[in-house]
Amino acid sequence: DTGVSQDPRHKITKRGQNVTFRCDPISEHNRLYWYRQTLGQGPEFLTYFQNEAQLEKSRLLSDRFSAERPKGSFSTLEIQRTEQGDSAMYLCASSFETLLDTQYFGPGTRLTVL
Amino acid sequence: SQKIEQNSEALNIQEGKTATLTCNYTNYSPAYLQWYRQDPGRGPVFLLLIRENEKEKRKERLKVTFDTTLKQSLFHITASQPADSATYLCALTYNNNDMRFGAGTRLTVKP
Repeated sequence: DTGVSQDPRHKITKRGQNVTFRCDPISEHNRLYWYRQTLGQGPEFLTYFQNEAQLEKSRLLSDRFSAERPKGSFSTLEIQRTEQGDSAMYLCASSFETLLDTQYFGPGTRLTVL
Repeated sequence: SQKIEQNSEALNIQEGKTATLTCNYTNYSPAYLQWYRQDPGRGPVFLLLIRENEKEKRKERLKVTFDTTLKQSLFHITASQPADSATYLCALTYNNNDMRFGAGTRLTVKP
């Protein structure tokens, strides 16, 4: 399968715990995006990388959130001291840098914070 | 602030009819606009892209229009099928690569 993959697909955690999600983009794509989606809403942009550089972060990305893409390939999104409001689907997407940025999404990681 | 509105949360139509979904936005026109399909529990899947200087794009049974005067895009599915049932998202991209999604319209095609 050469699409975007995410791991795990589901995560249930208790409030206050840390969680880390992984995203493996399409191999030739140099851009990688993280989004958060809650029920009945469209994806909300969190952050994006071009190669290993994190170029933009949304104000939604509080201090408890950190993302890395150490070698310009896979990326991780960590949430520290999780809160119930963090419960959502976390989507990763990748694209190849062009003037027309069509993004290819992974299946998402559904986070439930109890 | 920029707002993106999709016409309704849900749209129900009969198989074989044409589904028309609307995406309206405020303020600035995007450099381009995309439509994605999302099935429950899955990530969005790209369908069509239209640039600000294009009026219409087609792909098989899909058609999208873009009117920067009305600040509106219409997405049509002709000869709809139950398999077309899904949530359809419009996404606007501005020159800084900032892509923003609407909340989506859930389409149900009844046999």
